[in-house]
Amino acid sequence: EPEVTQTPSHQVTQMGQEVILRCVPISNHLYFYWYRQILGQKVEFLVSFYNNEISEKSEIFDDQFSVERPDGSNFTLKIRSTKLEDSAMYFCASEGLSRSGANVLTFGAGSRLTVL
Amino acid sequence: AQKVTQAQTEISVVEKEDVTLDCVYETRDTTYYLFWYKQPPSGELVFLIRRNSFDEQNEISGRYSWNFQKSTSSFNFTITASQVVDSAVYFCALSGPLGDYKLSFGAGTTVTVRA
Repeated sequence: EPEVTQTPSHQVTQMGQEVILRCVPISNHLYFYWYRQILGQKVEFLVSFYNNEISEKSEIFDDQFSVERPDGSNFTLKIRSTKLEDSAMYFCASEGLSRSGANVLTFGAGSRLTVL
Repeated sequence: AQKVTQAQTEISVVEKEDVTLDCVYETRDTTYYLFWYKQPPSGELVFLIRRNSFDEQNEISGRYSWNFQKSTSSFNFTITASQVVDSAVYFCALSGPLGDYKLSFGAGTTVTVRA
């Protein structure tokens, strides 16, 4: 099965530093998402992305966050000035048709961000 | 506003027991979609099922079965004859009429299956 690949798997950063989390979605998928999961809590929607622009974003996705797909393959989440509360697992996901023809959302394995 | 409630925080069973995970949802949409995801200890999110609000038929997939009751806004999940590999956090989720994947997740239920 095709996979969504995320890098890095774990990043430790100092508060105030910029972080870029990278994702390679499944190649024929058109919709992309970022979710986050603070340790021990529920998974939360951050943003969806289609046709090179944000289609929807949550209240969490404030001005410190940005997404882009600079080269048609990588889909990145940037946090400009990290805060302690940004520590979480960040999941990238891409949406498209599976081999069976069903419309599915495939998550990556996640990038764990630790802000010190 | 959409809300998903998984009242059971943790469930512990012995192998081969059945386990049922409850999910209750709230939405103002007449069309919506319900999901279950599994998060094993390795951390990834594994898709289990997607069901639209017009399809109230129960579904069975191997040892997994789902009971959708629109009248009580519930979408419960049963694992029959549980195995140690079923140990994971299970999330119920809800999306709106577009059928897109802007999901509202429940808090999750941690299932521990003991040998």
